[in-house]
Amino acid sequence: KQEVTQIPAALSVPEGENLVLNCSFTDSAIYNLQWFRQDPGKGLTSLLLIQSSQREQTSGRLNASLDKSSGRSTLYIAASQPGDSATYLCAVRPNAGGTSYGKLTFGQGTILTVHP
Amino acid sequence: EAGVAQSPRYKIIEKRQSVAFWCNPISGHATLYWYQQILGQGPKLLIQFQNNGVVDDSQLPKDRFSAERLKGVDSTLKIQPAKLEDSAVYLCASSLTRGRSNEQFFGPGTRLTVL
Repeated sequence: KQEVTQIPAALSVPEGENLVLNCSFTDSAIYNLQWFRQDPGKGLTSLLLIQSSQREQTSGRLNASLDKSSGRSTLYIAASQPGDSATYLCAVRPNAGGTSYGKLTFGQGTILTVHP
Repeated sequence: EAGVAQSPRYKIIEKRQSVAFWCNPISGHATLYWYQQILGQGPKLLIQFQNNGVVDDSQLPKDRFSAERLKGVDSTLKIQPAKLEDSAVYLCASSLTRGRSNEQFFGPGTRLTVL
């Protein structure tokens, strides 16, 4: 059974800092990995999706890396801003078929606070 | 393009009462998902529909939870009777198909509080 763990559970940083969020998964047979952002009272917004054959993806100040063999992904946020404050979730999609097809397994999230 | 719509946004009920949530997916999306997100945890898949058929309901507590998607569009999730541990945010998501490459789009969720 796939398990996804995110460290740290919460992070508070001053504005302008570069930071790294970590995600680890137990089963390396994944199709892709996705990072989401969740604002209070809102749904999930997809930030980056990395296919299993890729090593990293970039979007603006965000960079996500994937090391499938070691079961790890990191989300790097450059020059953090107060507007980046939210919960960040990673999720993996299995390579398997059957009822697992398309199923996402989520980590518990990292609560990020960026203070001015 | 309109996103995934959910209602109500908030619901407070007493334990042992029943409650229903509604979801309208993105137009043309064949696959619909219901997730339960307990405070401090990531979302957990409850049930997945492909059109109006159930693909995966392995984590749905079937003694009290039920869901339907009769015409392959809107879906309702019902809890009867509710327990304290059902307090959570219920998220609905949809994707074009159930293929692994198809991105899931999430609604704003319904926050349920059971007293």
